[in-house]
Amino acid sequence: AQSVAQPEDQVNVAEGNPLTVKCTYSVSGNPYLFWYVQYPNRGLQFLLKYITGDNLVKGSYGFEAEFNKSQTSFHLKKPSALVSDSALYFCAVRARGFKTIFGAGTRLFVKA
Amino acid sequence: DAGVTQSPTHLIKTRGQQVTLRCSPKSGHDTVSWYQQALGQGPQFIFQYYEEEERQRGNFPDRFSGHQFPNYSSELNVNALLLGDSALYLCASKANRNTEAFFGQGTRLTVV
Repeated sequence: AQSVAQPEDQVNVAEGNPLTVKCTYSVSGNPYLFWYVQYPNRGLQFLLKYITGDNLVKGSYGFEAEFNKSQTSFHLKKPSALVSDSALYFCAVRARGFKTIFGAGTRLFVKA
Repeated sequence: DAGVTQSPTHLIKTRGQQVTLRCSPKSGHDTVSWYQQALGQGPQFIFQYYEEEERQRGNFPDRFSGHQFPNYSSELNVNALLLGDSALYLCASKANRNTEAFFGQGTRLTVV
């Protein structure tokens, strides 16, 4: 069965510092991997995806993610955090079929 | 270009009632998925529609049903509402050949 784990409920980082939001997954076959961000009372906004190719994927708003097949991880990163990055981040995976599985989410707080 | 639009934005219903939520996909998108997001959790896949047919379903009871119209818009119907059905219901659309989905702002359903 497909599953996604986001081991941290919350990540705190100071503005200007690098940030990492962790994600590990379990699927059969080659996964499609996604990161989405959600602001209060809003839907999810697509940040980036990994389908195939380079393990480092660049996305919107300066975010990037590193796919590691041996560790089945897809961690979200940003070199320099902004206060406006504070939001809820979701990792998602899709393997066979059309069903996308989301993690429980990680709340990011960026302190000025 | 309007993105994914959902209506209504908020809804309050009584236990046992029925509710219909609506979704208009982003222009050029032909595939619609519905998700339930309970407070503090990640979105849970309900089902996906393509070519007016349900092509995959998550672990939701038959009380949850849907429809897709020829213009690709979609409805989610929930019968015999329970208190536990209170959640944010998200619609996501994509072009069938693409991988990432785009989400609407959601409908907040409260069952009292």
